[in-house]
Amino acid sequence: GQQVMQIPQYQHVQEGEDFTTYCNSSTTLSNIQWYKQRPGGHPVFLIQLVKSGEVKKQKRLTFQFGEAKKNSSLHITATQTTDVGTYFCAGYRSGSARQLTFGSGTQLTVLP
Amino acid sequence: DGGITQSPKYLFRKEGQNVTLSCEQNLNHDAMYWYRQDPGQGLRLIYYSQIVNDFQKGDIAEGYSVSREKKESFPLTVTSAQKNPTAFYLCASTTGTITGELFFGEGSRLTVL
Repeated sequence: GQQVMQIPQYQHVQEGEDFTTYCNSSTTLSNIQWYKQRPGGHPVFLIQLVKSGEVKKQKRLTFQFGEAKKNSSLHITATQTTDVGTYFCAGYRSGSARQLTFGSGTQLTVLP
Repeated sequence: DGGITQSPKYLFRKEGQNVTLSCEQNLNHDAMYWYRQDPGQGLRLIYYSQIVNDFQKGDIAEGYSVSREKKESFPLTVTSAQKNPTAFYLCASTTGTITGELFFGEGSRLTVL
């Protein structure tokens, strides 16, 4: 079955440093979504990328979708303590629109 | 306010007992999902339903059962056949669009004693 791998599993950064998490799928994705889960909370949708090579920005967050639509990345510039949480990528398989597979997540800790 | 309501938030059960987790949404969404999350892990799909009276197994359906008798409701039963039921269970829904974002409930934390 489809696998979505995410690295790193954990990342500790000093406040103000940058952070990047990478997502790789074993199969081509029709789209990729990113979610953030605060400690003790539930995942909250951040963004969706659909087109090959697409890049989207949300303030300090930059999201990329690979040319082959099998990998993606999330980059946070100048992290803040409010960025703490686990970031998940998730993808719908091409041709199987209703089954969204999540990556294992990257848990980000920001040290003040 | 529109959203997804899961109950109970915390649940304790003894081994060998079935337990049912409730999930209700008033977003008028067609598709609903159940995910399981273990500490430090990602979300694994248990069951999903695209329409009333229809549902499909996800990657880890063994030991679980669901029903979808109403559009708004998608309860999950954790049966005694589930070998490691202690986990955080998340219900989600999405619109009928082909690649919609998921809206999650706040989750139910099940502990088996």
